[in-house]
Amino acid sequence: GQQVMQIPQYQHVQEGEDFTTYCNSSTTLSNIQWYKQRPGGHPVFLIQLVKSGEVKKQKRLTFQFGEAKKNSSLHITATQTTDVGTYFCAGSNAGNMLTFGGGTRLMVKP
Amino acid sequence: GAVVSQHPSRVICKSGTSVKIECRSLDFQATTMFWYRQFPKQSLMLMATSNEGSKATYEQGVEKDKFLINHASLTLSTLTVTSAHPEDSSFYICSAIGPLNTEAFFGQGTRLTVV
Repeated sequence: GQQVMQIPQYQHVQEGEDFTTYCNSSTTLSNIQWYKQRPGGHPVFLIQLVKSGEVKKQKRLTFQFGEAKKNSSLHITATQTTDVGTYFCAGSNAGNMLTFGGGTRLMVKP
Repeated sequence: GAVVSQHPSRVICKSGTSVKIECRSLDFQATTMFWYRQFPKQSLMLMATSNEGSKATYEQGVEKDKFLINHASLTLSTLTVTSAHPEDSSFYICSAIGPLNTEAFFGQGTRLTVV
């Protein structure tokens, strides 16, 4: 079945440093979504990418979808303590089924 | 955005008892809901897909007789952990695909502790 791998598993950064998490699927995706889960909370939808090579930005967050639609990345510029949490990618290749990556837990030192 | 409400948020039960967790889509109809289990600092593990009016589809390794899923209406799915044991202690989260059929909306999660 479809597998979605996400790296790194953990990342410690100093506040102000950049952060990137990468997501790779074993199969071509119809779309990829990104979610953020704050400590003690539940995952919250951030964005969806559909087109090959698509790039979307949300303030300091930049999301990319690879040309082959099998990989994606989330880049945070100048991290802040409010960015702390676990970032999950989730790939979809048919219907409503989402396959989640393992998540990247971001810790930001003030 | 769409709202998915999950109840209870926390529950402590004795070994051998059963616990029911409810997941409701408050402002939209959800023909399909998903149940996940999350261990501390780990990813979401899909347990089963709940389909309104039909049997749930369980992932490999998930005991369907232990984790009973009922999706009796378009806005409610329930997960019952039967004969709970301490190893069932975990964070259980439900989700539903929103009305625009794009992103998933998650319930607040239920932290189950079996003592």
